[in-house]
Amino acid sequence: ETGVTQSPTHLIKTRGQQVTLRCSSQSGHNTVSWYQQALGQGPQFIFQYYREEENGRGNFPPRFSGLQFPNYSSELNVNALELDDSALYLCASSLGASGSDTQYFGPGTRLTVL
Amino acid sequence: KQEVTQIPAALSVPEGENLVLNCSFTDSAIYNLQWFRQDPGKGLTSLLLIQSSQREQTSGRLNASLDKSSGRSTLYIAASQPGDSATYLCAVKPSGSRLTFGEGTQLTVNP
Repeated sequence: ETGVTQSPTHLIKTRGQQVTLRCSSQSGHNTVSWYQQALGQGPQFIFQYYREEENGRGNFPPRFSGLQFPNYSSELNVNALELDDSALYLCASSLGASGSDTQYFGPGTRLTVL
Repeated sequence: KQEVTQIPAALSVPEGENLVLNCSFTDSAIYNLQWFRQDPGKGLTSLLLIQSSQREQTSGRLNASLDKSSGRSTLYIAASQPGDSATYLCAVKPSGSRLTFGEGTQLTVNP
């Protein structure tokens, strides 16, 4: 069984650029959630995708967008990067989107915005 | 709005000591509560998950309790080891789609 994988591991961008982060969900999982973790803080929920549709969103501006593909892998896109977007971005997959479904986390992508 | 608080923010103990990490949450309407471990710059490793109908869960030297009515959970680590050094995060699931995390307790176990 393959766990949750994310790419790239690290990324450096400059302010104003755009970035795409990728997540492959665990085998059999149809739900992907994205979180942002700034240094020294707990992860903050960005949004969730369930069967290719957005299924809940946290308090993030529209320049944070996502996509889920038919194989249930997912992308997180961030436009017009700001310095405060520097963070560890975590992806989690689950069997479904109900309250009882456990989320399994990937290793994260470290984004640095200069 | 659900808020999760973890106390203390940092803890340093000698090897072998038993210790307790605390987590409190403001809204008792949760599906479950989960404790995670995070090593520096790494992702999250799930340690224990307690469903809202349960009172505690145990795994090896770890024991987590949940008192939903008072909005509290504790993570008990027995006979701490230097390898236990990490940040411990508490998260609650107030609805189907998201986890709400605390800011973590940074634990250092000194040899």
